[in-house]
Amino acid sequence: EPEVTQTPSHQVTQMGQEVILRCVPISNHLYFYWYRQILGQKVEFLVSFYNNEISEKSEIFDDQFSVERPDGSNFTLKIRSTKLEDSAMYFCASSEQTVRPGELFFGEGSRLTVL
Amino acid sequence: AQSVTQLDSQVPVFEEAPVELRCNYSSSVSVYLFWYVQYPNQGLQLLLKYLSGSTLVESINGFEAEFNKSQTSFHLRKPSVHISDTAEYFCAVPNQAGTALIFGKGTTLSVSS
Repeated sequence: EPEVTQTPSHQVTQMGQEVILRCVPISNHLYFYWYRQILGQKVEFLVSFYNNEISEKSEIFDDQFSVERPDGSNFTLKIRSTKLEDSAMYFCASSEQTVRPGELFFGEGSRLTVL
Repeated sequence: AQSVTQLDSQVPVFEEAPVELRCNYSSSVSVYLFWYVQYPNQGLQLLLKYLSGSTLVESINGFEAEFNKSQTSFHLRKPSVHISDTAEYFCAVPNQAGTALIFGKGTTLSVSS
């Protein structure tokens, strides 16, 4: 069964360092998303991406965040200068249609720990 | 703005007992509602969804949810839970533009023997 894959599963970094989280969405999907989940808190929307551009972003997704689809398969989230509060589980998701009525398929997440 | 409220953060139950996880929504556009489940150390998976038609929707593992427009609710129920149902359950609704899903804070279902 097709699945969304994310790497790395866990990354530890120092505050101020750049981090790139990678995702391979399901191959025929057109819509891509990043969410994050701080330990013990809700799943928060960061950004959605369609047709090689951002279609929506939340207030969390400030200038230190960026997304890119560098080739036909990868979808990356870059955090330029990490802060302690960026420590979270980051989930990539993809969908064939929009969320109305499409289903989002999630990866298993990348845990980011900022020291 | 679209939002969902999950009223219970934790629900502990014994195996084979019935359970209800509550979700209320706020939406200014046509309503689509989703329940996702997150098993330990895994990503979120779609459990069931309401798009239109019958207000009662079911999943393959015995969960069901009923869309109640008058009460703006989409509660998740199961008549008899198993240990394997232990997980985090999230209610979700699309944002107004239909470009993202907005999740509730989640309900931790803990099933013990």
